[in-house]
Amino acid sequence: GNSVTQMEGPVTLSEEAFLTINCTYTATGYPSLFWYVQYPGEGLQLLLKATKADDKGSNKGFEATYRKETTSFHLEKGSVQVSDSAVYFCALRRTNAGGTSYGKLTFGQGTILTVHP
Amino acid sequence: DTGVSQDPRHKITKRGQNVTFRCDPISEHNRLYWYRQTLGQGPEFLTYFQNEAQLEKSRLLSDRFSAERPKGSFSTLEIQRTEQGDSAMYLCASSLGLAGHGEQFFGPGTRLTVL
Repeated sequence: GNSVTQMEGPVTLSEEAFLTINCTYTATGYPSLFWYVQYPGEGLQLLLKATKADDKGSNKGFEATYRKETTSFHLEKGSVQVSDSAVYFCALRRTNAGGTSYGKLTFGQGTILTVHP
Repeated sequence: DTGVSQDPRHKITKRGQNVTFRCDPISEHNRLYWYRQTLGQGPEFLTYFQNEAQLEKSRLLSDRFSAERPKGSFSTLEIQRTEQGDSAMYLCASSLGLAGHGEQFFGPGTRLTVL
């Protein structure tokens, strides 16, 4: 079946540090990959996505590249801010060869990021 | 605010009672999803609707769970004879488009506590 594995947290960094959160997946078909973020007291928000191999998703200084050969979609940011403190979820959505999406998302367990001034 | 809304935000109930949650999706979104999230875990898919048709249900959705979307707009999720293991955050999401490609927008969730 489909599954997503994220690096265990929590992750604690100082402001301006480099961030990497690892994500690997197992899926049949041709999944689309996502990073969602959940800020304290708020709902899940889409951070970035990539729909095919070698695509790079980017948003708000965050980046992730869809690596089919390593089945990975690691999240990176060059310089984190206190406001980036949140829970980050990697997710996949299965798509068949014809491009039809199965709609539902499969999430990893989440990684708590805390950034100190 | 035109985002996804859920009601109530918090529900505390005793074991054995029935509870019902409501989700109002973004207007004109044709797909509506329900997920469940337990502490320290990512959301898990429960079921989804395309317009008023329920197209898929997870094995997580036992016979005590039922979901409806009668007019293709809001949806309800009912849990009968609640158990302590049902305690979780119940999330609703909606999206627009065919074949499930649309971005899913999530509501704030309903936190259920079963005593």
